[in-house]
Formats: sequence, structure tokens, C-alpha cells
Amino acid sequence: SAVISQKPSRDICQRGTSLTIQCQVDSQVTMMFWYRQQPGQSLTLIATANQGSEATYESGFVIDKFPISRPNLTFSTLTVSNMSPEDSSIYLCSALQGVDTEAFFGQGTRLTVV
Amino acid sequence: SQKIEQNSEALNIQEGKTATLTCNYTNYSPAYLQWYRQDPGRGPVFLLLIRENEKEKRKERLKVTFDTTLKQSLFHITASQPADSATYLCALEAGYALNFGKGTSLLVTP
Repeated sequence: SAVISQKPSRDICQRGTSLTIQCQVDSQVTMMFWYRQQPGQSLTLIATANQGSEATYESGFVIDKFPISRPNLTFSTLTVSNMSPEDSSIYLCSALQGVDTEAFFGQGTRLTVV
Repeated sequence: SQKIEQNSEALNIQEGKTATLTCNYTNYSPAYLQWYRQDPGRGPVFLLLIRENEKEKRKERLKVTFDTTLKQSLFHITASQPADSATYLCALEAGYALNFGKGTSLLVTP
């Protein structure tokens, strides 16, 4: 199994600013992902974080708004740029140790933009 | 596009009874399906994975069925306990990532 530490756990930010969320896994993993979960909604995949190369974004999400880094097999960051109140949500980091296996999740970052 | 539907209304049951949660999907034939538990303020926690060639999977008090003809999975918790109260998410494989349903909130009362 893998343990994922995500920080910050919550933050309140001013509109127009940016926040970087960090995700650290305690073991090497093959895949890392970033999801968003709005209140009462399902998890929506933002992007797959690729080690050493540009992330793969899902429809509706772009690199300029959500730049992602993954410098090694255990660490990734998601930045929410030029924030607006519509970005208020929970952001979750997830990892897989192998294909077709269970996903592990961080505890999430609750972001409020005012 | 994939559509995943779970009971939108909360499920309230009495302790000791069996809880049954439903997950229906359309426009897809996933190679596997997973169930997760999510508590307030926490990330989802994996419970069970069932593959398309498996009809049923069990783990302690949990049982999952997978009917690829009906495009439906049923998730059962037997001898439910108040500690089982949480939101349960159905997730379908989507390449390497997962597509999640909205989840069903389960409340088990003593």
C-alpha cells in the first residue's frame, strides 16, 4: 500500500492569486493523478501527472490554469492559478502502484477563494 | 460519454441489516469496477475491485456483484454497523484513471 501526504489540508485565498498543492507518496508509484471534488459532486479528473514531462489534461482543464509538476516517482504539485470563487473545491491527489490496481488518495485540500 | 449513476438519495438502515447500494453505468464496457468509501473531510479509501469476468467478490462483510449485461454493480454490507456510515463511491476504469459516480450516503442507526 501507499500513504499519500497532501498539503496544505485547507486554505482560504484571495481571488487572482495562485496556490500550489503538494503531494508526497511514501513509496514509488507508477501513476499520479489530480482530481477535483465540488460539494455534493463526484470526483472529476483534472490531469495525469507524468514524471519528467508535461501532464496530460482532461477536457475542460488547461495547463495555464492548472500547471502540474512531477519531478520524480513520489512527488507532484498542482497549482491553481489566477483563482476565482469558482475554483473553490476539494483537490485530491491520487496514485497507482500498478496498472489495474487500487488507487490511493491523499486527504484532500479544501480550497476556498474569496 | 460514460455516465455513472448511484442512488442519489441517502440510504438509512438499522444496525444489523444489510445495506445494498446500486451503481449503473452507460456508454461503456469497463474492464473493472471499484468501490470506495469516503468519510467527511477525507480522501476515498479503496474497498473492492471486481473485473468484468467476475460475477461476485467478497471481503469480510462486503460483497460486490458485477453484471456486464445489465451494466450494473451492487454493493452489499451485511450486518451493518454505525461505523459503516459514510459515502460510498462507485468508480469505473477509464484507461489508467477512474471515473467516479456521485456516491451514495449511508447512515446506519443503532
